[in-house]
Amino acid sequence: DAMVIQNPRYQVTQFGKPVTLSCSQTLNHNVMYWYQQKSSQAPKLLFHYYDKDFNNEADTPDNFQSRRPNTSFCFLDIRSPGLGDAAMYLCATSRAMGDDEQYFGPGTRLTVT
Amino acid sequence: AQSVSQHNHHVILSEAASLELGCNYSYGGTVNLFWYVQYPGQHLQLLLKYFSGDPLVKGIKGFEAEFIKSKFSFNLRKPSVQWSDTAEYFCAVTPYGNNRLAFGKGNQVVVIP
Repeated sequence: DAMVIQNPRYQVTQFGKPVTLSCSQTLNHNVMYWYQQKSSQAPKLLFHYYDKDFNNEADTPDNFQSRRPNTSFCFLDIRSPGLGDAAMYLCATSRAMGDDEQYFGPGTRLTVT
Repeated sequence: AQSVSQHNHHVILSEAASLELGCNYSYGGTVNLFWYVQYPGQHLQLLLKYFSGDPLVKGIKGFEAEFIKSKFSFNLRKPSVQWSDTAEYFCAVTPYGNNRLAFGKGNQVVVIP
């Protein structure tokens, strides 16, 4: 049973054209995270939501935004994708914000042409 | 901020060989430690975790890891690997009480039948 679902699995967008990636969860977890993983690099946390409370990492570019309209869904918006934004984007969830396991989705691979 | 180092990014070994993957972190305070695994075509999933207590942690599929606080290390071991252990392995750390994961770059492990 899928617990953290990401759509689409593969996304191609053009340079500068806004793109939205989506994540949904069936776990009813309070916290949702977005990570960026570039080729041969470690996944890097972009931001997270604790319930409706948005928390941005200090080094996340302004080009990246997120929305969480309800408990189940969270979106990653890239306002003007550059070639350097091509990466795998991972969504994860956890029950709590401290000392808790994170559950990951399969990821969306973004290509920027 | 915390950081994680994993060495020997590519590991190739034969079935029944023993596996040890090194993980070192830098952070001055108390940490939670994780090993995640990503099998080909699948999402990241938790292999094992350490929050407190016995520093020798046993996970799924015969894996174990040992937390050595004095060495800031959390090395992963398996005495006898199988072909199905072919995967990428990520070490990750969070500060105690905070779920903001910092990942290492991963170890790509290939087990030859």
